[in-house]
Amino acid sequence: KNQVEQSPQSLIILEGKNCTLQCNYTVSPFSNLRWYKQDTGRGPVSLTIMTFSENTKSNGRYTATLDADTKQSSLHITASQLSDSASYICVVSLQTGANNLFFGTGTRLTVIP
Amino acid sequence: DGGITQSPKYLFRKEGQNVTLSCEQNLNHDAMYWYRQDPGQGLRLIYYSQIVNDFQKGDIAEGYSVSREKKESFPLTVTSAQKNPTAFYLCASRDTLETEAFFGQGTRLTVV
Repeated sequence: KNQVEQSPQSLIILEGKNCTLQCNYTVSPFSNLRWYKQDTGRGPVSLTIMTFSENTKSNGRYTATLDADTKQSSLHITASQLSDSASYICVVSLQTGANNLFFGTGTRLTVIP
Repeated sequence: DGGITQSPKYLFRKEGQNVTLSCEQNLNHDAMYWYRQDPGQGLRLIYYSQIVNDFQKGDIAEGYSVSREKKESFPLTVTSAQKNPTAFYLCASRDTLETEAFFGQGTRLTVV
């Protein structure tokens, strides 16, 4: 069964600290993995995409990693800011099909001053 | 600006009423989707459409209906048959050759 699991479910950190969010998946055949950021009451926005051959990709203070062998990805946020408070959703795509996106339940990150 | 627009942002429905959520995109995307988001749960697919005048049921289609008369528009009707409609509804679109979905800002529906 194609599934995407994220951990932790929620996380509270102090402003300026780093944190890492986890995503495990069983989706096959794998095409790519995206991390989305969803602010409260808004639609998700793509942060980064990881394909099978990529191990690490950065987007500013966000760094995503992918281990295709163990089917795990992480999103590392450096020097957190209050504006990082949001839900982060891991989305894994199959190689084919219009209905080929599998969503994790998200990690709710709260950054406090 | 190119994008995907949902309206209204907030919607209140009385018991037994049908309501329609609007979704419009000017990204020239063929595929459009409706998702439901509940607290602590991932996005669940209600309906999707790959081309005009064609749409497919998703995982939780019961109590919902859609139409796709124009490429730009994919409205969702929440019928009285949907017993627990209070939720956050997200519309998305994407190019069928790509995997990045572009989302609207969402509509929060509340039954009163």
